[in-house]
Amino acid sequence: EVQLVESGGGLVQPGRSLKLSCAASGFTFSNYYMAWVRQAPTKGLEWVASITNSGGSTYYRDSVKGRFTISRDNAKSTLYLQMDSLRSEDTATYYCTRVESPFDYWGQGVMVTVSS
Amino acid sequence: DTVLTQSPALAVSPGERVTISCRASESVSTLMHWYQQKPGQQPTLLIYLASNLESGVPARFSGSGSGTDFTLTIDPVEADDTATYYCQQSWNDPTFGGGTKLELK
Repeated sequence: EVQLVESGGGLVQPGRSLKLSCAASGFTFSNYYMAWVRQAPTKGLEWVASITNSGGSTYYRDSVKGRFTISRDNAKSTLYLQMDSLRSEDTATYYCTRVESPFDYWGQGVMVTVSS
Repeated sequence: DTVLTQSPALAVSPGERVTISCRASESVSTLMHWYQQKPGQQPTLLIYLASNLESGVPARFSGSGSGTDFTLTIDPVEADDTATYYCQQSWNDPTFGGGTKLELK
């Protein structure tokens, strides 16, 4: 059974940093692209970043370029999202997803609140 | 970015047929997918590549379309289908529609 379990969320002040993790199991992690998708409270879904299966290439939405870094450790079957210079508009539930053209599996999500 | 436009809400009675539309601002071929999100839960994949039913999804759900116009159909609708439905394109950087909230009368 595919499982994606996010951790690392919480309350953080504007301008500070936070690192999310996603532990994957039930599939060969190193064979799949992975991504982060977020959802602000009462809003729709928004793609944040993707990474190739080897980690050699990464892709970001414009609003997070230069502030967020997606990475992975295939030996640990873990996906990461380093979030720096956080802004209030980054407040959202962040979902870890497996990519198979669509996002075919999603974690339960982790809440990130950026507020002073 | 490719903008996806969905109607914000629909209300139908159980047993009826409902169609949810999604229009893309440019052609995405058949690289369109549909998700269901129930309150407090993560989204789940229903349809991929415009018309392919994800494993385990009831055959009441179907998808069609290509280019810029796509449709998700639920026939017949059941009470458990109350949820928000999102379309998403993977032709270029992924984007989602704003979601269609389906309510049952």
